[in-house]
Amino acid sequence: DTGVSQNPRHKITKRGQNVTFRCDPISEHNRLYWYRQTLGQGPEFLTYFQNEAQLEKSRLLSDRFSAERPKGSFSTLEIQRTEQGDSAMYLCASSLGADQPQHFGDGTRLSIL
Amino acid sequence: GEDVEQSLFLSVREGDSSVINCTYTDSSSTYLYWYKQEPGAGLQLLTYIFSNMDMKQDQRLTVLLNKKDKHLSLRIADTQTGDSAIYFCAESINDYKLSFGAGTTVTVRA
Repeated sequence: DTGVSQNPRHKITKRGQNVTFRCDPISEHNRLYWYRQTLGQGPEFLTYFQNEAQLEKSRLLSDRFSAERPKGSFSTLEIQRTEQGDSAMYLCASSLGADQPQHFGDGTRLSIL
Repeated sequence: GEDVEQSLFLSVREGDSSVINCTYTDSSSTYLYWYKQEPGAGLQLLTYIFSNMDMKQDQRLTVLLNKKDKHLSLRIADTQTGDSAIYFCAESINDYKLSFGAGTTVTVRA
């Protein structure tokens, strides 16, 4: 059973650069979610997909953030013109369907210099 | 509203039981969850309970749900050093979003 896979595990970049993260969900899961976790806090919801359709975006997702899931399988999260406040762990999760348990990957830790 | 609250720290002796408490706000949550996070790792789904149940047992884990008071607890029997981690309570919002507490750091001492 392959779990949710995220890469890279760590990303260090300079302020103002663009970064892209990838998430591969559990294969039969049609829902995919992105969360952000800062130090000492629980994860906060960013956005989610049902197959290839992006159905909801949080107010946390500024216009510098874009997420895609082009073929309803893997997803990418891009942050343009990174800022210090973007430093966080970005977590991806997937589930079989609506209101089903979400299984998380190990996250991508982003550090902005 | 979406506000899940947990105590921040718990210290327990190896072999004792741990009890982690959580309060939530959305009475329409279908499921309530417990996740475990070890340093540098993602979240591991430990267990979950359907909102029309009041108890669920899974090996060393017991979940109690008091829906009237919106109170959820996780009991870990015979706590081991490998149980040291951060434990998150989460409620499901609508049918897609999880709202998490800030996490309870459990430290197991010998």
